Amino acid sequence: AQSVSQHNHHVILSEAASLELGCNYSYGGTVNLFWYVQYPGQHLQLLLKYFSGDPLVKGIKGFEAEFIKSKFSFNLRKPSVQWSDTAEYFCAVRVNYGGSQGNLIFGKGTKLSVKP
Amino acid sequence: DTGVSQDPRHKITKRGQNVTFRCDPISEHNRLYWYRQTLGQGPEFLTYFQNEAQLEKSRLLSDRFSAERPKGSFSTLEIQRTEQGDSAMYLCASSLADQGHGYTFGSGTRLTVV
Repeated sequence: AQSVSQHNHHVILSEAASLELGCNYSYGGTVNLFWYVQYPGQHLQLLLKYFSGDPLVKGIKGFEAEFIKSKFSFNLRKPSVQWSDTAEYFCAVRVNYGGSQGNLIFGKGTKLSVKP
Repeated sequence: DTGVSQDPRHKITKRGQNVTFRCDPISEHNRLYWYRQTLGQGPEFLTYFQNEAQLEKSRLLSDRFSAERPKGSFSTLEIQRTEQGDSAMYLCASSLADQGHGYTFGSGTRLTVV
């Protein structure tokens, strides 16, 4: 079965530090990749997505992610975090089976705490 | 406002009771999904609909769980004879069927079984 691994359960950073959150998936075929963010008390929101083309994708709020097919990875990055980035971040994968799509499979999430 | 509405936001029920949750997706979205999220875990897929047809159910969805989307608009998720292990956040999401879209999630219904 397909799975998504997020390596860090909880990351604590100071403001202005750089961020990289790891995400690896276990399917060797065509995939769509997503990062979602959940701010405290709020619903899941889409940060960015990769479907095809340039493997470096830019999302909202200065986030970006790089798809490295050979490493089955889709790591999330931000050069300088802010206190308002404190949230839980979920990586998700959707497998494409020929013309049909599977469903979103989520990792367990990484909680980011940014100290002011 | 996310565009996907879920009701109720919170539900506390006694073990053995039945509960029903409702989801209203974004109106032009033809796909609707139910996920469950427990503490420390990511959302886990339960089932999804394309229009009124239920196209896939996870093995997580035991016989006590049933979902409907009778007119291809809102959906309900019913849990019969609730157990303490059913305590979780139940998330609804909707999307368009074509490949280029992610899901839009609602705020969820938090179920506590006591």
